Amino acid sequence: QKEVEQDPGPLSVPEGAIVSLNCTYSNSAFQYFMWYRQYSRKGPELLMYTYSSGNKEDGRFTAQVDKSSKYISLFIRDSQPSDSATYLCAMSVGDSSYKLIFGSGTRLLVRP
Amino acid sequence: DADVTQTPRNRITKTGKRIMLECSQTKGHDRMYWYRQDPGLGLRLIYYSFDVKDINKGEISDGYSVSRQAQAKFSLSLESAIPNQTALYFCATSDSRRGEGFNYGYTFGSGTRLTVV
Repeated sequence: QKEVEQDPGPLSVPEGAIVSLNCTYSNSAFQYFMWYRQYSRKGPELLMYTYSSGNKEDGRFTAQVDKSSKYISLFIRDSQPSDSATYLCAMSVGDSSYKLIFGSGTRLLVRP
Repeated sequence: DADVTQTPRNRITKTGKRIMLECSQTKGHDRMYWYRQDPGLGLRLIYYSFDVKDINKGEISDGYSVSRQAQAKFSLSLESAIPNQTALYFCATSDSRRGEGFNYGYTFGSGTRLTVV
């Protein structure tokens, strides 16, 4: 079993829809949670960064962490065709030998 | 210029050839990483370096070697390329400093698409 599980999709939604992307994980020691967006033929770019449980909002994006369920989510409001990309979750224990563990990514397509 | 630059962007090579992928960064980060990305498998860590004298194997280091020539430069070599090393390769950097304004996020390069025939 992978430490971080993510549905590969693709997830296809109409423009303006609310999108929910999710990851589950098995390591209860994870404390730092991130979402990366990767456009085709590009490297992943950091989109959202959260520590421990709770919500964080940035414009149309909301990151949510539920440590009791080992479940994180990324919500995109008023989705746009430019949001079409692969979204990867990533997480870390945050200790001195820190490494990020990545999900395999969910491909999102927002139809005009 | 990009914060993390990878060269070449695309490369086709033959089985058995030695090939080097290069990465340079202007972020001032001390930590650097090499990943490969395959469809359905996500990002897998090949090697990582926490400073010039600290090189560590990742989960899939067999068949690869690295060199950290300077804080800003980290190269990946395939000593004898084989077809199952065909993949998208990413270099990434991160900052070990903590506190206000710092986080655990990585900065990625744009990748090198390698094809071994």
